[in-house]
This record gives sequence, structure tokens and C-alpha cells, in this order.
Amino acid sequence: EDQVTQSPEALRLQEGESSSLNCSYTVSGLRGLFWYRQDPGKGPEFLFTLYSAGEEKEKERLKATLTKKESFLHITAPKPEDSATYLCAVQASETSGSRLTFGEGTQLTVNP
Amino acid sequence: NAGVTQTPKFRILKIGQSMTLQCAQDMNHNYMYWYRQDPGMGLKLIYYSVGAGITDKGEVPNGYNVSRSTTEDFPLRLELAAPSQTSVYFCASSARDRVGYEQYFGPGTRLTVT
Repeated sequence: EDQVTQSPEALRLQEGESSSLNCSYTVSGLRGLFWYRQDPGKGPEFLFTLYSAGEEKEKERLKATLTKKESFLHITAPKPEDSATYLCAVQASETSGSRLTFGEGTQLTVNP
Repeated sequence: NAGVTQTPKFRILKIGQSMTLQCAQDMNHNYMYWYRQDPGMGLKLIYYSVGAGITDKGEVPNGYNVSRSTTEDFPLRLELAAPSQTSVYFCASSARDRVGYEQYFGPGTRLTVT
């Protein structure tokens, strides 16, 4: 069974204080690992897809990396508008219908 | 493009009532999904569809039904609503022409069963 564990559950940062969110996964053959951002009362918004170990992707202050067992979402010099819940999900290569298995998310708060 | 749209935004049901949550997408995506999200939790897959006329169960299908008569629409039916179905429901869609098949989500329907 595919499993995704995200840590920490919640993270408070001061504006400009860089940090990382962790996503550990167990999957029978990884097709893709996905990062989403979710604001309160809204649907998840797609950020990145990573396909293979060693791959990195960047978008503004966010950088996602992937190893064979985990992914990190690095946040550099965060701003209050980066406050959101960040969700990680995996897609197994044998999964029909391209289904995703989600972690429970990390709630990030960036204080000014 | 409107992307993925869902109606209604909010709904309160009494125990035993039934309702249909509507979902539509205008991106010509083949794949569509229904998830539920309970407070502080990740998303759990209820049902999914790989094309018109084809549906399959996800992790938590009990108490729900779906149909997919067109590419654009994927309604979710709740029969005999129960308090355990109080949740936020998200519909999503994805294309078939990419390796990663990232999913795009609607704004959600917040359902309370009392």
C-alpha cells in the first residue's frame, strides 16, 4: 500500500527565516511526486511534479527536491503570503487512472 | 477557461436526505476524481473516472455513487446522508497526455450532515 508521511504537521516561521518541509513516501514504483499548496477554504493548487531521484524544481521562493525515499520543499526567505498548507502526493507506476495518494499536509505560518 | 467548477459551495443536509454534488471541467481532461477532506487531514479518494462511461472506486466509496455520461461532467451522489459524510468535497481532473498527470482541483463543496 502506498504511504505518504509529511513533517512537521505545523511550522511557524518569521519572515525571511528559511526552512524545509519533509515528505517521506513508500510506493511500489514511483511515477511522480507532486507538491500542492492549499489556502484556507480553497482547493489544492498544483506546484511541482518530480519524477526521479536527484530532480529539483524551483518556483519563486520554493524549491522541491527528490530522493528515493523522500522529498523536501525548501522555502527561502519566506513571506507572509507563503502561509498555507502544503500537500505532498505520490503516484505509483502501477496505479490505474493516475490516482494520487496524499499526505496529511504541513501547515505553514509565516509571521511578518 | 473556468477550469474545474463545483456546485454548490455549501450545503446542510439532514440525516437520511440525498443530494448530488456537481462537478464540471472545460479542459477536455479524460480523468476526473472525487476526494473528501476532513479537518486537518489529507485528501481521500472516493471515486474516479478514466473517461465517459467508466468509473471505479477509490479508498472510501461507501455511501456514494458516481456517473460519467460526458467528458465534462462527473457528479457525486450521496444517498441516505450520515453525519460521517460531513466533510469538504473536492473534484479534480487531469489530462492523459503527460507522464505525471498532475491533477487540477475545484474550489470544493462544504457539506454538513446533521
